[in-house]
Amino acid sequence: QVQLQESGPGLVSPSETLSLTCSVSGASVSGYYWTWIRQPPGKGLEWIGYVYYSGTIKYNPSLRSRVTISVDTSQNQFSLMMRSVTAADTAVYYCARPLPPVAWGQGTLVTVSS
Amino acid sequence: DIQMTQSPSSLSAFVGDRVTITCRASQDISNSLNWYQQKPGKAPKLLIYDASTLETGVPSRFSGSGSGTDFSFTIDNLQPEDTGTYFCQQYDNLPPLFGGGTKVVIK
Repeated sequence: QVQLQESGPGLVSPSETLSLTCSVSGASVSGYYWTWIRQPPGKGLEWIGYVYYSGTIKYNPSLRSRVTISVDTSQNQFSLMMRSVTAADTAVYYCARPLPPVAWGQGTLVTVSS
Repeated sequence: DIQMTQSPSSLSAFVGDRVTITCRASQDISNSLNWYQQKPGKAPKLLIYDASTLETGVPSRFSGSGSGTDFSFTIDNLQPEDTGTYFCQQYDNLPPLFGGGTKVVIK
């Protein structure tokens, strides 16, 4: 059974860069789309972007200027970088495989604060 | 991008009631729709995929129907453990956008 695990700092200073990695086990990152989703406290789910192992990438237009998503097939993982973060970027960040068979990580809370 | 409109945003019902949530897509998505349940502090849990197929291990009181642009999700015989927020998500075309969510509360 596929498992996804997010990792990265839980606290990021304003104007700095948020970096998260999603480690995939039980399946290869090759051959699937992978996505990052976030959920601010008490709010709904916001799609950040998705990546295909071959390099196809698409970002949420509202975040495109600050976000980079990449995939590392040798490490069987994919990553998120979000630059110039503010308090509005405080959220639980999830990595997921959005197309069937669906799989989600447990999520990691990232707080932007000095 | 395909937008998903979900309603109601919240509902309150008694144990044993039948509740229904609807989701409308901005264009035809065939049956490419997931329904999730989310509990506070937890990741969304997939309940139904392909609009009407129950995920393994999910109680049969949960069901989904619809195709094209209009979909519904029903909980028969509502149980206390069914409190939470429910989301629809389309996957016919990337990005896989979500509905706004429906918060279900027990009266």
